Parts: sequence; structure tokens; C-alpha cells
Amino acid sequence: EIVLTQSPGTLSLSPGERATLSCRASQSVSSTYLVWYQQKPGQAPRLLIYGAFGRATGIPDRFSGSGSGTDFTLTINRLEPEDFAVYYCQQYGSSPLWTFGQGTKVEIK
Amino acid sequence: QVQLQESGPGLVKPSQTLSLICTVSGGSISSGGYYWSWIRQHPGKGLEWIGYIYYSGDTYYNPSLTSRILISLDTSKNQFSLKLSSVSAADTAVYYCARGRLDTGWAFDIWGQGTMVTVSS
Repeated sequence: EIVLTQSPGTLSLSPGERATLSCRASQSVSSTYLVWYQQKPGQAPRLLIYGAFGRATGIPDRFSGSGSGTDFTLTINRLEPEDFAVYYCQQYGSSPLWTFGQGTKVEIK
Repeated sequence: QVQLQESGPGLVKPSQTLSLICTVSGGSISSGGYYWSWIRQHPGKGLEWIGYIYYSGDTYYNPSLTSRILISLDTSKNQFSLKLSSVSAADTAVYYCARGRLDTGWAFDIWGQGTMVTVSS
């Protein structure tokens, strides 16, 4: 099983700052199958980035993904108040097919 | 616009079977290119994929749960369902249905709102 480790656990930032979130895989992951989600309290996760770099429909361009192999990054430029949430990375392909990281909470400083 | 909606009991007794239904609206569950999945989230924790069903009826389950899971399809009602047997307190979670989409590398692009299921006597 591929384990995804996200860091940091919590990121304390102010609106307007840049957030850099890391997702490290225990084995190489195809970029095609690396995904990022945003989850707000009481809501379902929302697809942000697929294929490591592709923004989902309706996602602002301040969200960007990068990386390859075992190291992937989600960057949020110029944090807006609505961006404070928990972010999960996810991979597809290795049993049990879909696995998620434990999440990074982006909180207001 | 495709929407998913979970339904089912919010309270299940230990050792019994948890049964949930996901109703798909705004699109056909019989369209290829989608994995119709169940995912759960334990309180305050991360996400765990449970299993999927394809429009053909093919299924694949998380090996950690496979002995207790049954996912089925009802194309006439545009629904798919989850049955999880022999539940315990460890199965208390928010259960989501979600659509995995081929052209996004099987990312889950649409999710239901989730339904909280508590296992307790």
C-alpha cells in the first residue's frame, strides 16, 4: 500500500500569504493519478487538482499543483478567506486503489 | 448537473448490517467512464475509500473491508448501494458516495453531502 504523508499538519497563515502544502508518497506515484481536495467543516471534499497539475472546473488559478515521483506540492497564492480549510492529497492505482493523505489544515493566523 | 445523495439509517446496532443508498440525479449511472464509489471519514479523521461499482456491475473493494462489503447497482432507479455487515463502533463515520471519473485520472469529481452513521446499541 502506498502511504501518503502530508506536511505540515497545520499551516497558520494570514490572508494574502502563500500556502505551500507537501504530499510525500512512500513509493513513486504516477502524476496522472495524484489529486488534491479541499474540505471545509461539515462539507464533502471538493476536487481541486487532478493529474498533479490540472485544475478542476471552477477552481481559481491561485491554486496550483506540481511535483512528480514521490513528492508533490499544492500551492495557494494570495490566500483568500474562503481558502482556510483542510487539504487532502490522494493517489489512485496502488491497492487499495485509492488512498488519501492525512490532511493539512490551513488556518488563519 | 450530476448530483449524488446518500440516504439510510443514521444509527445501526453493533453486529448488524449498515445499508446506504446513493441516488444519482442529473445523469445516468449507466454511463461508462465512471467508478461509483463509497468513501468514509471517521470523526475528525481522514478519508478511507471503501469500494466501487462500475456500470457493468464490476466491483472492487478495499482489501481491509472486503469480507464485509457488498456494493450493488440498481440502474432502473439510478442508484447504487452499500451494505457493510457485522458493524462495530469502529464503523462509525460519515459515509460519502462519490464519482470517480476516467478523464481526471479517476479523481472523485462529484461527492454526495455525506451521511453520518453511528454504530451503537
